Amino acid sequence: GDSVTQMEGPVTLSEEAFLTINCTYTATGYPSLFWYVQYPGEGLQLLLKATKADDKGSNKGFEATYRKETTSFHLEKGSVQVSDSAVYFCALWNSGGSNYKLTFGKGTLLTVNP
Amino acid sequence: EAGVTQFPSHSVIEKGQTVTLRCDPISGHDNLYWYRRVMGKEIKFLLHFVKESKQDESGMPNNRFLAERTGGTYSTLKVQPAELEDSGVYFCASSQDFVSEAFFGQGTRLTVV
Repeated sequence: GDSVTQMEGPVTLSEEAFLTINCTYTATGYPSLFWYVQYPGEGLQLLLKATKADDKGSNKGFEATYRKETTSFHLEKGSVQVSDSAVYFCALWNSGGSNYKLTFGKGTLLTVNP
Repeated sequence: EAGVTQFPSHSVIEKGQTVTLRCDPISGHDNLYWYRRVMGKEIKFLLHFVKESKQDESGMPNNRFLAERTGGTYSTLKVQPAELEDSGVYFCASSQDFVSEAFFGQGTRLTVV
C-alpha cells in the first residue's frame, strides 16, 4: 500500500536558519503530494502541494519539489522564523482511488528559537 | 465562513467508558472524513462519508468505534467501550467533492486512563 516516510524530529533551529525536512513516499501510479502544518492549538492546514512530477509547490516562503525519480518531496525554507514553529506532515493522495483519502507521514516537530 | 469545528477539544475518560466526538463540517461540504493520530505515529484515515452514507470505512480499527452522520450534516464518532490504545488526536475534515481540498478541524485530543 501507499506510505510516506518523513524525517523524524524534533528539529530545533535558530531564527533565520535554513530548513529542510525530508519526505519520501511509496505509491503506485501518480499521487499528488502535500505538506500540512499544525500550529500549536490549531488544526491541520494545507501548506503547499504538487500534483505531478517536477511541480514545485510554494507558500509562505516554503517550497517543495515533486521528484518522481527519487520519490521525494522535501520541504525547504531559506530563513525560518519563530512563527514557523509547528508540526509538519508530509502526505500523499493517490488518484487511483475514488476518494480524498490522505496517507500521512509521522510528522516533524519544528521549534525555532529567537 | 466557519471552518470545520470539533467538540470537545480535549476529553479524558476512564478505560471502559464511552466517549462521543462531534464534527461540524463546513456548510455545503458533502464529504466528511475522520482521521486519527496516535502519539508519535502517522495520522491515519478512519472513514469517509458522502452526505449521510459511509463511502469508505476501511480504516475503522474495530467494532468499538461507531460513526454516524445524521442528515448529512454533522458527524459523531463514538468509542464504546474505550481502551487505553484509543488515546490520540482525532481529526475531522470536510471537502466539497472528491477532488477538492479537504479542510481540517483542530482535532479532539482523547486520553483514556
